[in-house]
This record gives sequence, C-alpha cells and structure tokens, in this order.
Amino acid sequence: DSGVTQTPKHLITATGQRVTLRCSPRSGDLSVYWYQQSLDQGLQFLIQYYNGEERAKGNILERFSAQQFPDLHSELNLSSLELGDSALYFCASSVGNVFLETQYFGPGTRLLVL
Amino acid sequence: AQSVTQLDSQVPVFEEAPVELRCNYSSSVSVYLFWYVQYPNQGLQLLLKYLSGSTLVESINGFEAEFNKSQTSFHLRKPSVHISDTAEYFCAVSLSSGGYQKVTFGTGTKLQVIP
Repeated sequence: DSGVTQTPKHLITATGQRVTLRCSPRSGDLSVYWYQQSLDQGLQFLIQYYNGEERAKGNILERFSAQQFPDLHSELNLSSLELGDSALYFCASSVGNVFLETQYFGPGTRLLVL
Repeated sequence: AQSVTQLDSQVPVFEEAPVELRCNYSSSVSVYLFWYVQYPNQGLQLLLKYLSGSTLVESINGFEAEFNKSQTSFHLRKPSVHISDTAEYFCAVSLSSGGYQKVTFGTGTKLQVIP
C-alpha cells in the first residue's frame, strides 16, 4: 500500500459526459501527479500540482483539467468524454516539487467510456 | 524530442535464470532515467533511477541498471529472477524543458517468470 488513495476504483460513463476523479496523497506529500495509461497511448504524464499550484504540464488535453485543494487532495476533471478517453488514470504523490523525487502511485481509477 | 524504446513487449524466462530488459532512448540533451514496475492490478512503483554519478544503479530487490551514454541505453538486469518478479516494467526518460520536467515512458515489457 503506497498510502495514495484514489476514488472511484471504476467508472463507466457515456460519450459527452463529464467525470471527476479524486486523489488523496500520502500524508506529508505536497505534490500530486496525474497519469493516463491506455492501450493506444501507453503511459502518459498529464499534470503536476505542488501545494495547490500547477507545477508541470504534460500531454493533458484541453477537455481535461485538474486542481489541488488546500487539504492537498486533487481532482482530475474530464469533460466531453470520448471513447478514446477510456483508460486507467493514476495519481502519484511526492514530498517536494521536484519531478525527479520518488513518486508513490495510487491504485488507479479505471474509466470506461461507452 | 525525447523518445524511449522498449523493443521487447514480452520476455518469458525460467525461474532463477538471468534476465535483461532493454531500454534505449533518444534525446539531444542530458536526461534522467527511471525504471518502474507495475504488478498486476496495481499502480506503478519506482524500481530505480539514474540522476547522476555512478552509471550503475541498484534496487533493493536485486535489479540493477546501467546507464550507457554512448549507446543511449539503460537496460535492466537481474541475475536470478523469482516468480514474484512477474510484472510489467516501464522505462522512462525525463528532461528539463521550458522550466518544466518532461517525462516520456516506454511501451512496457511484460516479464513472465516460468516455474
């Protein structure tokens, strides 16, 4: 158990809909990272937040957005969903804001868009 | 642009045999290199990383990887595998770009340890 929690574990929705994925980092970690793992695109880094502010951006689509709240949990919002958004979405956390620090991954949220 | 190539999508190996998982990268600037492991139905775990210094890095569970700049490789090795090593292994490359760190993952190699 990495100490990172993600909810929900599974999510099934329809095209055009909007969903919110939630992540709680390990106690004491200030950074949260979001990743997408799909059969088509493989594993991709989406975005990083550190202590409430956006720190680094990867291949995140404009239809996707994220935020980190004062209690340090983070939410990833996916809107206007397409079939290709079906994937496993991972959250990870680390202590500081340096990307090269060891990141601890959550179990993921599996999203299926029908 | 950086890229990572894991040529082997699957590697079957007998228990207690040695294994090498290959990773090659391309980048015009200095990079940082990582190996992650993903056990079935779990998230990723960092196995080891190369940031600087000694080109040979080791993990606590017997894996090691060697950074070879001339061959742009970061192959992962273990002299004797266990059943519990069955998992998918991802190589990743990170570099600084525009004040941010960019990371690129390979497509993964599934290690199947056969009893």
